[in-house]
Amino acid sequence: DTGVSQNPRHKITKRGQNVTFRCDPISEHNRLYWYRQTLGQGPEFLTYFQNEAQLEKSRLLSDRFSAERPKGSFSTLEIQRTEQGDSAMYLCASSIPSGRAYNEQFFGPGTRLTVL
Amino acid sequence: GEDVEQSLFLSVREGDSSVINCTYTDSSSTYLYWYKQEPGAGLQLLTYIFSNMDMKQDQRLTVLLNKKDKHLSLRIADTQTGDSAIYFCAEKGQSGGYQKVTFGIGTKLQVIP
Repeated sequence: DTGVSQNPRHKITKRGQNVTFRCDPISEHNRLYWYRQTLGQGPEFLTYFQNEAQLEKSRLLSDRFSAERPKGSFSTLEIQRTEQGDSAMYLCASSIPSGRAYNEQFFGPGTRLTVL
Repeated sequence: GEDVEQSLFLSVREGDSSVINCTYTDSSSTYLYWYKQEPGAGLQLLTYIFSNMDMKQDQRLTVLLNKKDKHLSLRIADTQTGDSAIYFCAEKGQSGGYQKVTFGIGTKLQVIP
């Protein structure tokens, strides 16, 4: 399978705990995105990496959220001191700057977080 | 800021055409997209249109863009049960960051056999 993969697929945690999600993009893609999707809503942009550089961050990304892409390949999204409002599907996507400006983003299956 | 709005639900009979509508607010939108999300699966790009185009056709899919009214539609001809999914309208604009894509709430398409 050469698509975007995310782990774990499901995570249940208690309020106040820290969680970390991993995204492995398509291997030749140097752009990587994180989105959050709550029930009945569309994906909301969180942050974007080009290689290892984090170039954009949404106002949605509070101080409790941090994302890294240390070697420009896989990325991690950490949420500290989780709150019930953090319960959502966290989506990762990747794309390649091939000159096609429409910038097709390929999405992973997501990590569903439930905070009790 | 950017906003994308869609109706929540559409029900059609198999073989009929489906039309899903979307409005957006960002006048600097460069590309507009339609994504499909099936249960348990990631989002899949169906088609896109550049903002200087009025129409784009791709097999059973027709995208119409009215830039003046900021209205986008997706027509699916000969709708099949396999088309049942949630369809998201999305736009990429100049504001809010070069790579930011703003999604609508999604329209759930139900195809009745």
